[in-house]
Amino acid sequence: KAGVTQTPRYLIKTRGQQVTLSCSPISGHRSVSWYQQTPGQGLQFLFEYFSETQRNKGNFPGRFSGRQFSNSRSEMNVSTLELGDSALYLCASSSPGTGGAYEQYFGPGTRLTVT
Amino acid sequence: AQKVTQAQTEISVVEKEDVTLDCVYETRDTTYYLFWYKQPPSGELVFLIRRNSFDEQNEISGRYSWNFQKSTSSFNFTITASQVVDSAVYFCALSGSAGGTSYGKLTFGQGTILTVHP
Repeated sequence: KAGVTQTPRYLIKTRGQQVTLSCSPISGHRSVSWYQQTPGQGLQFLFEYFSETQRNKGNFPGRFSGRQFSNSRSEMNVSTLELGDSALYLCASSSPGTGGAYEQYFGPGTRLTVT
Repeated sequence: AQKVTQAQTEISVVEKEDVTLDCVYETRDTTYYLFWYKQPPSGELVFLIRRNSFDEQNEISGRYSWNFQKSTSSFNFTITASQVVDSAVYFCALSGSAGGTSYGKLTFGQGTILTVHP
């Protein structure tokens, strides 16, 4: 099976712009979670989607949003970018999603740099 | 609130030494899950193990072993006869749902940087 894929791998944006990151989960996985990794804050949970519904949300401002499509692919969007949004954004998928915590498989991440 | 603490920021060993990475967690959930992940220099997090709160059996997988002690809220990870390829950042993580159905949120520790010298 192919692993979790994320596009693009690298991105450079300017403050105030918006950005959309994409994640394709492992085939058959219906849960997709997003994390932000920075040197200062470490790995922080952004949100989780299952069957096109957001099930969990971390403590991030409303500028961070996401969605999931019927094929389980997910996108996250960050509007009005700030310098502090520079980070590695990781997507993870897991299966099946109804009770119990199954291991999450991570993609290679998207490295976002905001200048 | 959930919290994971990995007290060791960096560990440096020489090849073939055994090394233990400590992980202490806090949660009010009665059902929860613990994980270890490895992040090599390439950046991708690699799943190593999952343990649920009802299963305190230790586990061994090749050179890796895990010791889960609910009484001390610890889930330590030992690498026996370390190798240079073990050099990576290792993360301990916790997932709990406080009675809900979603465990999709992982709370990570700050990570331990392991360097194995030849």
